[in-house]
Amino acid sequence: DAKTTQPPSMDCAEGRAANLPCNHSTISGNEYVYWYRQIHSQGPQYIIHGLKNNETNEMASLIITEDRKSSTLILPHATLRDTAVYYCIVRPSLFKAAGNKLTFGGGTRVLVKP
Amino acid sequence: DAGVIQSPRHEVTEMGQEVTLRCKPISGHNSLFWYRQTMMRGLELLIYFNNNVPIDDSGMPEDRFSAKMPNASFSTLKIQPSEPRDSAVYFCASSSLESGNEQFFGPGTRLTVL
Repeated sequence: DAKTTQPPSMDCAEGRAANLPCNHSTISGNEYVYWYRQIHSQGPQYIIHGLKNNETNEMASLIITEDRKSSTLILPHATLRDTAVYYCIVRPSLFKAAGNKLTFGGGTRVLVKP
Repeated sequence: DAGVIQSPRHEVTEMGQEVTLRCKPISGHNSLFWYRQTMMRGLELLIYFNNNVPIDDSGMPEDRFSAKMPNASFSTLKIQPSEPRDSAVYFCASSSLESGNEQFFGPGTRLTVL
């Protein structure tokens, strides 16, 4: 599976956009980029995923570069409740046997400050 | 839906004792995953099942660990005998093709082995 690299931590101001970068330079053509987050003392929570195109849902936006070697998760208006560890995961095609597996790295610890 | 249910939420036991962790996946989900989280090693996949059949148990640390899924609505992770280094938070997650293979995590079981 392709490896991801994320900054270990970052702060952002409440109400401002939070831009979380992720490098995945060895990603292959049929691998997806997934983002999960883990709020303290809870299980991880799915945020969003994408293959090539940018994606948006009610939680966040995902911007994937044209060469697919990096991506950015955008929380448009960060709130204190967005304080969590954010994991960027490269996942095999869902149609492969290994497509069910998620390999979590260290993630980025995001602290939203008032 | 109540989400993924895990029991117990907290378990404190003495070294050498048998520990059984339980998980009820979301109804209709056909994949179930067991993860372990520690400060040192982060979040690791131990084993996962598709349609009650173990698919990949390469993450199971050693023979002291075993997992079963006797039916679609119940799974157990057993540690026998337990050791202090098994102390961790154990998460169960479930998914289905209909959910886009998005994994839904339970609240976790915090295990302390004295």
